[in-house]
Amino acid sequence: DAGITQSPRHKVTETGTPVTLRCHQTENHRYMYWYRQDPGHGLRLIHYSYGVKDTDKGEVSDGYSVSRSKTEDFLLTLESATSSQTSVYFCAISGTPTGVAITGYRNGYTFGSGTRLTVV
Amino acid sequence: LAKTTQPISMDSYEGQEVNITCSHNNIATNDYITWYQQFPSQGPRFIIQGYKTKVTNEVASLFIPADRKSSTLSLPRVSLSDTAVYYCLVGDNGTGGFKTIFGAGTRLFVKA
Repeated sequence: DAGITQSPRHKVTETGTPVTLRCHQTENHRYMYWYRQDPGHGLRLIHYSYGVKDTDKGEVSDGYSVSRSKTEDFLLTLESATSSQTSVYFCAISGTPTGVAITGYRNGYTFGSGTRLTVV
Repeated sequence: LAKTTQPISMDSYEGQEVNITCSHNNIATNDYITWYQQFPSQGPRFIIQGYKTKVTNEVASLFIPADRKSSTLSLPRVSLSDTAVYYCLVGDNGTGGFKTIFGAGTRLFVKA
């Protein structure tokens, strides 16, 4: 989707190495999220951010850390990659640019195109 | 956070109307209902959103009964390109945060 980009799109890494995935938005949205998607599990929330330097854990946060030093960037780090972290990772944004509810504004998620990570 | 329940899969034929129902018994007063569509190797994309009664746009209709404990996504005259996974989500639309939990979705397969 226009306004949200993920990098890299594909990555193969070795077990035990650190990996950082980047999500960049140009929409000035307050909320950003990292999801992973695996067969049979749908999308599961890893971490999310509700502002610069404000982050919180999702349902599958073990083994992951995040950072948000500026509004437009949300980084997901696997400190020591394991094979169980092989997955497709999606970044999403939500909210109004000003963070204030706007009547009739279509809220919800806008997703990036995903990063396919393989840990060997 | 409100959880949702949907059928795991559905089959249909081209030209038919498809209705996918989602159950969300613990929906909160401020929650909106939003449906997403996901194709393989892509992120989910917004289809339609509503709070109560009926909402219609160029691709779908959303029916929400008065108690809001369920909702039905209606896709008129589906085509092969509508084969995808459809997710129903509920979440607070008021403040901008839309923290919610995705279920496994409904896999719709449209046959010729």
